[in-house]
Amino acid sequence: KQEVTQIPAALSVPEGENLVLNCSFTDSAIYNLQWFRQDPGKGLTSLLLIQSSQREQTSGRLNASLDKSSGRSTLYIAASQPGDSATYLCAVTRYSGGGADGLTFGKGTHLIIQP
Amino acid sequence: DVKVTQSSRYLVKRTGEKVFLECVQDMDHENMFWYRQDPGLGLRLIYFSYDVKMKEKGDIPEGYSVSREKKERFSLILESASTNQTSMYLCASSPPGGYNSPLHFGNGTRLTVT
Repeated sequence: KQEVTQIPAALSVPEGENLVLNCSFTDSAIYNLQWFRQDPGKGLTSLLLIQSSQREQTSGRLNASLDKSSGRSTLYIAASQPGDSATYLCAVTRYSGGGADGLTFGKGTHLIIQP
Repeated sequence: DVKVTQSSRYLVKRTGEKVFLECVQDMDHENMFWYRQDPGLGLRLIYFSYDVKMKEKGDIPEGYSVSREKKERFSLILESASTNQTSMYLCASSPPGGYNSPLHFGNGTRLTVT
């Protein structure tokens, strides 16, 4: 059974710092890995999707990497801003022989950027 | 922009009631999903659907059913609500062949069962 772990569970840093969020998964049979952002009381917003054949994706100040063989992904946030404060979730799209059957999520990293 | 709309932001129901949670997407997406989110447990997949009138069980389908009569609408049904179904429910959709397309989520329905 696929398990996704995110470290750290919470992180508080001063504005302007570069930071790294970590995600690991136990089963390398995945279609892709996605990073989401969730603001309090809201749904999830997709940030980046890395296909299983890719190594990284970039969007603005965000860069996500994927090492499928070791079951790891990182989300790098450059020059953090208070508006980046949110919970960041990592999820893998599972492959079950017949096709993809949904995402397995980590429990998230709660990020606070101090002004 | 894709819009996934969940009909209620907050619901309060009594134990034993039949509860319908509605989700509508406006981008002709084939794939639709229902998750619940609980503190300490994260998001867990309840049911999903890849087409009209088809459904697949996720990780925690017990106590739930779903209906997909039209492509744009995916309903989650709690046949007899129980207090352990108090949770945030999130609906999501993705386009056809969308294993490598990002999921689009609604804003969630926070259900309280008393």
